[in-house]
Amino acid sequence: GAGVSQSPSNKVTEKGKDVELRCDPISGHTALYWYRQSLGQGLEFLIYFQGNSAPDKSGLPSDRFSAERTGGSVSTLTIQRTQQEDSAVYLCASSRGANVNYGYTFGSGTRLTVV
Amino acid sequence: GQQVMQIPQYQHVQEGEDFTTYCNSSTTLSNIQWYKQRPGGHPVFLIQLVKSGEVKKQKRLTFQFGEAKKNSSLHITATQTTDVGTYFCAGRTGNQFYFGTGTSLTVIP
Repeated sequence: GAGVSQSPSNKVTEKGKDVELRCDPISGHTALYWYRQSLGQGLEFLIYFQGNSAPDKSGLPSDRFSAERTGGSVSTLTIQRTQQEDSAVYLCASSRGANVNYGYTFGSGTRLTVV
Repeated sequence: GQQVMQIPQYQHVQEGEDFTTYCNSSTTLSNIQWYKQRPGGHPVFLIQLVKSGEVKKQKRLTFQFGEAKKNSSLHITATQTTDVGTYFCAGRTGNQFYFGTGTSLTVIP
């Protein structure tokens, strides 16, 4: 597609429920990143996929968070047993590759609210 | 660990005044990028700097990369209300970009 597509755009969930957030990167972009942005805060790195390499999960805040990238394209970020502190905007970004100097293209994000 | 700090965190300027945000890294960066995030929007890529001491201009925006490749700045001349937003730097180490804390710019008409 022309841009990075994320769904849903908004998600309200009850504490303790699981949620899945989807990211569809730009076609041909091999690198995909997930970030989290709390209200008025900067971007917190969560996880990074590059091609078929093992993902860099160093930013995941707890084992309740996991992510997959199927077929080198679409990615799903899963949060299990959601907590109120998980409330944030979850941003996905893609770029042409990790070893070349391209800017990230961000999606519009998923605003997650845990009540 | 890797840290990229930005100052100031907030800046209010009168329309027509200049604005500068500074980005500092605890380690040497291979390159640095700048992004703008409008209120309610997502970060949008502005520019990338690679060389030590590099200076690039985009109309009223001037970007600099320090000689030691540990700091960078973004300067906006004669701000306009359309400049409102949060400006993030992102410094690259290895295969990752580490985003700064951002500077939120408010322009008073």
